[in-house]
Amino acid sequence: SQTIHQWPATLVQPVGSPLSLECTVEGTSNPNLYWYRQAAGRGLQLLFYSVGIGQISSEVPQNLSASRPQDRQFILSSKKLLLSDSGFYLCAWSLGGMPRGQYFGPGTRLTVT
Amino acid sequence: AQSVTQLGSHVSVSEGALVLLRCNYSSSVPPYLFWYVQYPNQGLQLLLKYTSAATLVKGINGFEAEFKKSETSFHLTKPSAHMSDAAEYFCAVSSSPGGSQGNLIFGKGTKLSVKP
Repeated sequence: SQTIHQWPATLVQPVGSPLSLECTVEGTSNPNLYWYRQAAGRGLQLLFYSVGIGQISSEVPQNLSASRPQDRQFILSSKKLLLSDSGFYLCAWSLGGMPRGQYFGPGTRLTVT
Repeated sequence: AQSVTQLGSHVSVSEGALVLLRCNYSSSVPPYLFWYVQYPNQGLQLLLKYTSAATLVKGINGFEAEFKKSETSFHLTKPSAHMSDAAEYFCAVSSSPGGSQGNLIFGKGTKLSVKP
């Protein structure tokens, strides 16, 4: 069966510091991968998605970036965090073709101070 | 373009009462529809999905949803609420015709409270 991991679970970072969040999927190949952010009271915001290694689509231009160095690894980064980057970050995966839904990781709670 | 509207950001029911969470969609192509549940500080869990087979879809934890094309609705129901159902629920629609990329458009969510 497939599993998705995210780490760290929680993170407190000062403004201006770098960020690296990691997501890995096990038990499947060639998944589509997604990064979402949930800010308080604002629902789910799609940040990036990837349909293959090195293929990243950005939905919201901002100071975040994503990379997919391996088939089942998805990384969210920032060079300098802003207060507005605080939120709950979720990684998800799906298979291409017919939509069967997306499957989410446990999330990372980021607080920028 | 596809969109999803969830009516009611907060719904409160008594334990044992009917749960009804409303979702209306807009889509220019036959949609694929999903309901997710999120417990505090956790990821989203897929409850059920409609992918153009049976219009009444049964999911986990006793939930079900009915696809009504004429009403462009996909409401989530459960006959008898449990305290453990207290969570936030999200409706989603596939954003691509045929859903080839798997991208979803999510509603803003409905928080369900269950009173003892």
